[in-house]
Amino acid sequence: QKEVEQDPGPLSVPEGAIVSLNCTYSNSAFQYFMWYRQYSRKGPELLMYTYSSGNKEDGRFTAQVDKSSKYISLFIRDSQPSDSATYLCAMRSYSAGNMLTFGGGTRLMVKP
Amino acid sequence: GAGVSQTPSNKVTEKGKYVELRCDPISGHTALYWYRQSLGQGPEFLIYFQGTGAADDSGLPNDRFFAVRPEGSVSTLKIQRTERGDSAVYLCASSLTGPQGIQANYGYTFGSGTRLTVV
Repeated sequence: QKEVEQDPGPLSVPEGAIVSLNCTYSNSAFQYFMWYRQYSRKGPELLMYTYSSGNKEDGRFTAQVDKSSKYISLFIRDSQPSDSATYLCAMRSYSAGNMLTFGGGTRLMVKP
Repeated sequence: GAGVSQTPSNKVTEKGKYVELRCDPISGHTALYWYRQSLGQGPEFLIYFQGTGAADDSGLPNDRFFAVRPEGSVSTLKIQRTERGDSAVYLCASSLTGPQGIQANYGYTFGSGTRLTVV
């Protein structure tokens, strides 16, 4: 079983919908949690960065971390066709230094 | 440069050949990482450099894979005796680091990757 699990999708929603993307993980040492967006044939681009449990909001994006449940979420409000991409969660522990462990990614399609 | 640059963007090679993939990180970023991303999967860690030295090479799959960063800037990932299973997108990333070499409080900046196809 992988350390970080993510539903691969695809997830198809109409424009303007609220999107919920999720990851579960097994390593309780993970303390830093990130969401990346990856367009086709491009490298991942950092969207959100959170430390430990709690919520963080940035424009239309909200990241939530629940360490007790080993569950993280990314919410996208007022989704746009330009949000269509693969969303990757990533996490790391302090002891692992700088190595990130990624989920497999969820492919999102926002239809006009 | 403004971002992380990787060359070539695409590489097709025959099984058994040797390949080199180049990464030019963001100027001033002391940390450099190589990841490999197979189709439909998330990136998997290969190796991390802090300056010129490999601080963590635990992700290299076997001794056919080797990476260098001789002057603490550009890095080259080298794959010997390529196999069809090596086909993937090889991603390079760089970041600033804080005290004790630990990544500062932001994520990596990735390049667009080199798509390697072994036929």
